[in-house]
Amino acid sequence: AQRVTQPEKLLSVFKGAPVELKCNYSYSGSPELFWYVQYSRQRLQLLLRHISRESIKGFTADLNKGETSFHLKKPFAQEEDSAMYYCALTVAGTASKLTFGTGTRLQVTL
Amino acid sequence: EPEVTQTPSHQVTQMGQEVILRCVPISNHLYFYWYRQILGQKVEFLVSFYNNEISEKSEIFDDQFSVERPDGSNFTLKIRSTKLEDSAMYFCASVYAPSYEQYFGPGTRLTVT
Repeated sequence: AQRVTQPEKLLSVFKGAPVELKCNYSYSGSPELFWYVQYSRQRLQLLLRHISRESIKGFTADLNKGETSFHLKKPFAQEEDSAMYYCALTVAGTASKLTFGTGTRLQVTL
Repeated sequence: EPEVTQTPSHQVTQMGQEVILRCVPISNHLYFYWYRQILGQKVEFLVSFYNNEISEKSEIFDDQFSVERPDGSNFTLKIRSTKLEDSAMYFCASVYAPSYEQYFGPGTRLTVT
């Protein structure tokens, strides 16, 4: 069975502070991990995926298979980063379903 | 940039009524999905569709649900007899292999009264 855990419902940080959104997963096979973002009243958008190893909008995430984690990080939070962030998992190399975590609301304040 | 579209944006229906939620996936995509999100809960997978048949479904997707791709563009989700607990945001998604990146629509908010 696939499971994704995001322990924080809400993370509130000051502008310019570092951000780390936690994600842990459980899956016995070969996983592919994603971070999706949902800005207010907008659709879910892919932020990044572990196989691409890109940095998008200053965010990075490294897959740690030993700790089964895929934490999302940004060194300096911006106001426009305020949104819901969802970690998701699928079977690597397939068009299988996404299994989502419960999401973390990031609130960046001045 | 092409986008997945969904109609209506909000649907209100009475318990026991049938509803059809519509999605237009991105034109060259081959895999299609429905997810739902009950208020305050996680996004949950319902069903995936490929080559004109269901490829995967969850335990939520019971006999009350059906999907169809009636023409080359639309992808529909039908709920035959709605229940109060069907109230949720329903998201459609589509994928173009081989990237397997899922592109989501804006969602339809279904309210069952």
